[in-house]
Amino acid sequence: GDSVTQMEGPVTLSEEAFLTINCTYTATGYPSLFWYVQYPGEGLQLLLKATKADDKGSNKGFEATYRKETTSFHLEKGSVQVSDSAVYFCALGAGNNRKLIWGLGTSLAVNP
Amino acid sequence: DGGITQSPKYLFRKEGQNVTLSCEQNLNHDAMYWYRQDPGQGLRLIYYSQIVNDFQKGDIAEGYSVSREKKESFPLTVTSAQKNPTAFYLCASTARGALNTEAFFGQGTRLTVV
Repeated sequence: GDSVTQMEGPVTLSEEAFLTINCTYTATGYPSLFWYVQYPGEGLQLLLKATKADDKGSNKGFEATYRKETTSFHLEKGSVQVSDSAVYFCALGAGNNRKLIWGLGTSLAVNP
Repeated sequence: DGGITQSPKYLFRKEGQNVTLSCEQNLNHDAMYWYRQDPGQGLRLIYYSQIVNDFQKGDIAEGYSVSREKKESFPLTVTSAQKNPTAFYLCASTARGALNTEAFFGQGTRLTVV
């Protein structure tokens, strides 16, 4: 069945460091791919998305490119800030039942 | 402003009690979802509804029940049959199915058994 695998955390970085959070997927057909962010004690918010191969989603300095050949959607940011500390979830939307399939989340802590 | 509202933010349940978590949206979304979040386990789907008066079980429906009598509302009841209900519960909605549309989330309800 459809699945999402993302790198385990926690990830700890210093401010202004480069961030990569890996996400790979298994799906039949052509899923849409998403990154969501969850700040402490809150619900999830959409960070970015891509709906077809080679699309690049971007928002708030974060980017991810839909790579069909490697079935990946890695999240990157060139220079993280303390305010980026949160849990990041990769997800795909696919299938006849039209549900989102979620990764387990990656916790990011950015130190000043 | 449009959005999705969960209440209460914190809820305490005694052993053997049923409790109901509220979820209301004013986004005119057709589909609504309930997730449970435990540390290290990501989001697990409890129930979802694609249309009024219809809903389906998710991956961990045992011990939970839902109703969808109105498009705006999708309450979740945690019954006494749920043996380990302490968790963070998230409600979400999408315009239709989640194939390529953004899911909007509420702020969550933290349920604790006392």
